[in-house]
Amino acid sequence: DAKTTQPTSMDCAEGRAANLPCNHSTISGNEYVYWYRQIHSQGPQYIIHGLKNNETNEMASLIITEDRKSSTLILPHATLRDTAVYYCIVRVAGGGSNYKLTFGKGTLLTVNP
Amino acid sequence: NAGVTQTPKFQVLKTGQSMTLQCAQDMNHEYMSWYRQDPGMGLRLIHYSVGAGITDQGEVPNGYNVSRSTTEDFPLRLLSAAPSQTSVYFCASTAGANNYGYTFGSGTRLTVV
Repeated sequence: DAKTTQPTSMDCAEGRAANLPCNHSTISGNEYVYWYRQIHSQGPQYIIHGLKNNETNEMASLIITEDRKSSTLILPHATLRDTAVYYCIVRVAGGGSNYKLTFGKGTLLTVNP
Repeated sequence: NAGVTQTPKFQVLKTGQSMTLQCAQDMNHEYMSWYRQDPGMGLRLIHYSVGAGITDQGEVPNGYNVSRSTTEDFPLRLLSAAPSQTSVYFCASTAGANNYGYTFGSGTRLTVV
């Protein structure tokens, strides 16, 4: 699986958009980009994923660059409850051992009042 | 629909003791996995299963055994606990296709003294 690079930490003001970047310059054509978050002491929570196109759901938007070498997770109106570690994960399509997720250290997003 | 249920939530073991961490899901997911998370680190894969009767090793399998006799359950066994196994353990499941995210349990916090 391709490696990812994320900033160690970021701050965001409550009510503003939080834009979390992820670099995955060695991504292959069949690798998806997944985002998870982990609120303190809880299990990770799936947020969104995509292959090529931008994606949006009730939690966030995922913007993937045309060359697929980087992506940005956007939380449109951050709240204090969005304070968490956000993980960007790139994973090969298919079954077997490809089902596993490889977690890095992620980005600690702190939403400030 | 309870999702992924892990028991116990907390456990203290003495070195050399054995125990089983339980994981159950009610979503009929094919794929289940166990991760451990040490302080300040991302999650590391211990073992995974792509279906009943099929298991395989992840990144850090030593000291742990698993079995998958049913689709719903995926217990993790520590045969002889060591202080190095002090960690938070998370179980996760997914339906298996690329367009599904993983559902994680709330974790088991294990201390080995």
